[in-house]
Amino acid sequence: NAGVTQTPKFQVLKTGQSMTLQCAQDMNHNSMYWYRQDPGMGLRLIYYSASEGTTDKGEVPNGYNVSRLNKREFSLRLESAAPSQTSVYFCASSESSWGYTFGSGTRLTVV
Amino acid sequence: QKEVEQNSGPLSVPEGAIASLNCTYSDRGSQSFFWYRQYSGKSPELIMFIYSNGDKEDGRFTAQLNKASQYVSLLIRDSQPSDSATYLCAVQFYGQNFVFGPGTRLSVLP
Repeated sequence: NAGVTQTPKFQVLKTGQSMTLQCAQDMNHNSMYWYRQDPGMGLRLIYYSASEGTTDKGEVPNGYNVSRLNKREFSLRLESAAPSQTSVYFCASSESSWGYTFGSGTRLTVV
Repeated sequence: QKEVEQNSGPLSVPEGAIASLNCTYSDRGSQSFFWYRQYSGKSPELIMFIYSNGDKEDGRFTAQLNKASQYVSLLIRDSQPSDSATYLCAVQFYGQNFVFGPGTRLSVLP
């Protein structure tokens, strides 16, 4: 099925460990996004990529890095995980001013 | 700082009633307004969008926009237990990223 694929779905990290969340879309969208969702705070933008080869910081970029590998793939890296990064992470893609298509999410726990 | 506000709920309505979900936003220049539904443990899914003042209907859903009052709402007619979810309002200023509200949790009681 067409859409946005995220891996992994669940992850438990120890404080200080690193990991990369993978995201791929097959809808030929130019823009891709990484959000985190915490209870009571809604979706907050971490980083986005308006087009292949460009990335920009969102509202909460500290502690994260991203790579837009090609038009399809946009990865999010945590270099040194902290308990404050425990959250649900969503990747999304969009074309122009149309709404987002979200991936299924990654539930990350940092202990 | 662009802000989007929603009543967190829960909003409880009986089956068959009209559920009214409200959203206010701070940026008078906002252009696009989207409503997403998110079931517990799932990702948000787009259900409606509206760009112009007035009402837009799609099946049991009606989006209402009043730019002068900086207010957008979602009405769900003939509410069903399957409509129980969190509803996210998202607002976009032209050419910029969406800002999401915290969501309103709707519970439709059989």
